[in-house]
Amino acid sequence: EAGVVQSPRYKIIEKKQPVAFWCNPISGHNTLYWYLQNLGQGPELLIRYENEEAVDDSQLPKDRFSAERLKGVDSTLKIQPAELGDSAVYLCASSLGASASYNEQFFGPGTRLTVL
Amino acid sequence: EDKVVQSPLSLVVHEGDTVTLNCSYEVTNFRSLLWYKQEKKAPTFLFMLTSSGIEKKSGRLSSILDKKELFSILNITATQTGDSAIYLCAVGRSEKLVFGKGTKLTVNP
Repeated sequence: EAGVVQSPRYKIIEKKQPVAFWCNPISGHNTLYWYLQNLGQGPELLIRYENEEAVDDSQLPKDRFSAERLKGVDSTLKIQPAELGDSAVYLCASSLGASASYNEQFFGPGTRLTVL
Repeated sequence: EDKVVQSPLSLVVHEGDTVTLNCSYEVTNFRSLLWYKQEKKAPTFLFMLTSSGIEKKSGRLSSILDKKELFSILNITATQTGDSAIYLCAVGRSEKLVFGKGTKLTVNP
């Protein structure tokens, strides 16, 4: 069974440029998460989807970040414009059930973003 | 404010040693505590604990939860170089996970 797929694995951009990350969850997993992980920190939730609905986007900086999961399968996270402080690893995860507390999340390899 | 505190933040041991990693928490609406192993990029699931005092075990790894004292430990016996990784503790509250900063374990041959 294929795991969570993310692309690109690495991205280097200049500040003020836009950037997009793509995630394809495990087949059949209805719940999808985007996390941000800074160096030396644990992952922090940005947004959680149940199917195509964003059910928790309270931590998403909506002035520059946006996300979509149009058909309830793969998802895109966008930053426009990027700032130096956005340099981090962006992790995507998926789970079979809706509750993060009781369902194992499967993580993708992440995208390491460097903003110059 | 929800807190998940892991200690130590880093640890260096020799192969064959036994290590204990700690995770304490203060969260509202506690549901579960999870341990993940992070090598390079993707965290991989180790354990989910919901009840106090019941040890979960997988090979050389084991973990237990104390809901009264609000902490969990992850034990690794007879460590191997392949155990070198960051071990993340996460607490499930309502429908989200709150992660600690992780413990970076280095096992030297």
